[in-house]
Amino acid sequence: SQKIEQNSEALNIQEGKTATLTCNYTNYSPAYLQWYRQDPGRGPVFLLLIRENEKEKRKERLKVTFDTTLKQSLFHITASQPADSATYLCALNSNSGYALNFGKGTSLLVTP
Amino acid sequence: EPEVTQTPSHQVTQMGQEVILRCVPISNHLYFYWYRQILGQKVEFLVSFYNNEISEKSEIFDDQFSVERPDGSNFTLKIRSTKLEDSAMYFCASRVLTGGSGANVLTFGAGSRLTVL
Repeated sequence: SQKIEQNSEALNIQEGKTATLTCNYTNYSPAYLQWYRQDPGRGPVFLLLIRENEKEKRKERLKVTFDTTLKQSLFHITASQPADSATYLCALNSNSGYALNFGKGTSLLVTP
Repeated sequence: EPEVTQTPSHQVTQMGQEVILRCVPISNHLYFYWYRQILGQKVEFLVSFYNNEISEKSEIFDDQFSVERPDGSNFTLKIRSTKLEDSAMYFCASRVLTGGSGANVLTFGAGSRLTVL
């Protein structure tokens, strides 16, 4: 069956450090992978999309890598801030292409 | 910035009652979705809708669920006879058709919290 796995344990880091979150997947052949942010009680918000032919994508303090051989994406937040505290979700298209499936997410807490 | 609007924000209902959750997608979006998130669990796909028909649905989306686009702006999710396990946050989402880097990037609403007693 298709699986999207993210670290279930919360990640606690100090302000200013780099946070690195991992997404692994099985039984997907994605053309692209997405990362979303979810705050408590709110809907997910799109952050970044990376295509299968892109190794790395950057947006401000965010960086995403995508390794289709390892079936893994890494999501980095550099110079982290307390406002970055949230749950970060990895998402992949279903094989039909219509549905977007999410991992359970990794909770990030940035402390001053 | 355009947004997806959902109503109600919170609904409490008795088991066995029918519930309708409403969504107004972004006006130029053509694909519409419903997701649910049980407390502490992942965001789960329920159904996608395009051109007035369901394009894909998950195992969760059984005969108790239905979707409708009754007019040019609203998109609704109906649960015919609610069960305790239907208690969750329900998110509506929409996206543009296809193309470019915006392919399949979803914009979500703030959600409707359903509590079944």
